[in-house]
Amino acid sequence: AQTVTQSQPEMSVQEAETVTLSCTYDTSESDYYLFWYKQPPSRQMILVIRQEAYKQQNATENRFSVNFQKAAKSFSLKISDSQLGDAAMYFCAYRRTSGTYKYIFGTGTRLKVLA
Amino acid sequence: DSGVTQTPKHLITATGQRVTLRCSPRSGDLSVYWYQQSLDQGLQFLIQYYNGEERAKGNILERFSAQQFPDLHSELNLSSLELGDSALYFCASSVRLAGGYNEQFFGPGTRLTVL
Repeated sequence: AQTVTQSQPEMSVQEAETVTLSCTYDTSESDYYLFWYKQPPSRQMILVIRQEAYKQQNATENRFSVNFQKAAKSFSLKISDSQLGDAAMYFCAYRRTSGTYKYIFGTGTRLKVLA
Repeated sequence: DSGVTQTPKHLITATGQRVTLRCSPRSGDLSVYWYQQSLDQGLQFLIQYYNGEERAKGNILERFSAQQFPDLHSELNLSSLELGDSALYFCASSVRLAGGYNEQFFGPGTRLTVL
């Protein structure tokens, strides 16, 4: 069975600085998707970034980028130039590319941004 | 706004009661997924429906059931409620995009409080 682990329950970053959130996963599949979702206090699930396992290139969305290490089954999220609005829970998630498309989520990392 | 609607937004009830949560997927989306998020936890997959048929099941309790209707909206029924059922319940719908990628869109969630 696939699992997703986020070992950092909470992280803090100074405004305008860079922070990296960690995620590891376990799967026997060779092709899959990985995601980072942001959940602000409103509780809405907001997709931050998506990575396809068969793509070597790390995904980037503006200030958000990932470091995808397939062999190590590691998928970290880097937030550059942190802003107060980045404060939220961040969830790492895994999804297969075939069969059921259910997401498997990690337990989340609470990010605090300090002014 | 993801286009997925969930009603009600909040629900407060007592132990032993039964409630129904409703989800309307985005127009044209055939798949509906239900997730449960207990306090400060990640989302746990409950069940998936595709075009009216159950497609996949997660760790859904026997006290819980779901269905998807011909108009594609879905309902999650929770019965014999216990304090531990208090959680945020998310619905997501998905569509297959060009290139074969399946995108999931989350609704705003229903917060259930069992007293």
